[in-house]
Amino acid sequence: NAGVTQTPKFQVLKTGQSMTLQCAQDMNHEYMSWYRQDPGMGLRLIHYSVGAGITDQGEVPNGYNVSRSTTEDFPLRLLSAAPSQTSVYFCASSYNRGETQYFGPGTRLLVL
Amino acid sequence: SQQGEEDPQALSIQEGENATMNCSYKTSINNLQWYRQNSGRGLVHLILIRSNEREKHSGRLRVTLDTSKKSSSLLITASRAADTASYFCATARASGYSTLTFGKGTMLLVSP
Repeated sequence: NAGVTQTPKFQVLKTGQSMTLQCAQDMNHEYMSWYRQDPGMGLRLIHYSVGAGITDQGEVPNGYNVSRSTTEDFPLRLLSAAPSQTSVYFCASSYNRGETQYFGPGTRLLVL
Repeated sequence: SQQGEEDPQALSIQEGENATMNCSYKTSINNLQWYRQNSGRGLVHLILIRSNEREKHSGRLRVTLDTSKKSSSLLITASRAADTASYFCATARASGYSTLTFGKGTMLLVSP
């Protein structure tokens, strides 16, 4: 099993550009989530999904969209990138939202 | 908002010594989890302790939970240089179907 995979590993955007961060898992987990990690801030939840077709907002959802059309995939869309979205983004999955989470390797995003 | 707060923020020890990190939280929990993050990598789950448990062991790791004090500790015995990493606690609140909330982490440096 590959576990949780994320692409790309690194990305540089200009302010106002849009992009999609990809996340996939092969563990048949119902729960998937997106976090951002900033220095000194720990991990903050952006959006999460409890199954295909069901998504909800986390602590810091503004500027991001998600959708969940399949159990395996949970892409994160930046609609109009801003320098404040410079961060490291982690995708995670688990069989239930409050249980052990399995993390992807992360995507480092720089917005100029 | 941060539910769990780790203490200390940074810890530097020699190989062979024990490392103790603490986590305090604010509201009643269903479970508390500890994760490790090596520099530039994703988080790796270490151990989960439920609210009705007081102590769990996994290899050189020992986790205790005191729900009356709303605190947990992670003890790493006989530390190795490979234990150098950041350690995060995460809590799942007892009310409703809670997502995980992460603390800001403790950075552990184990010197040879």
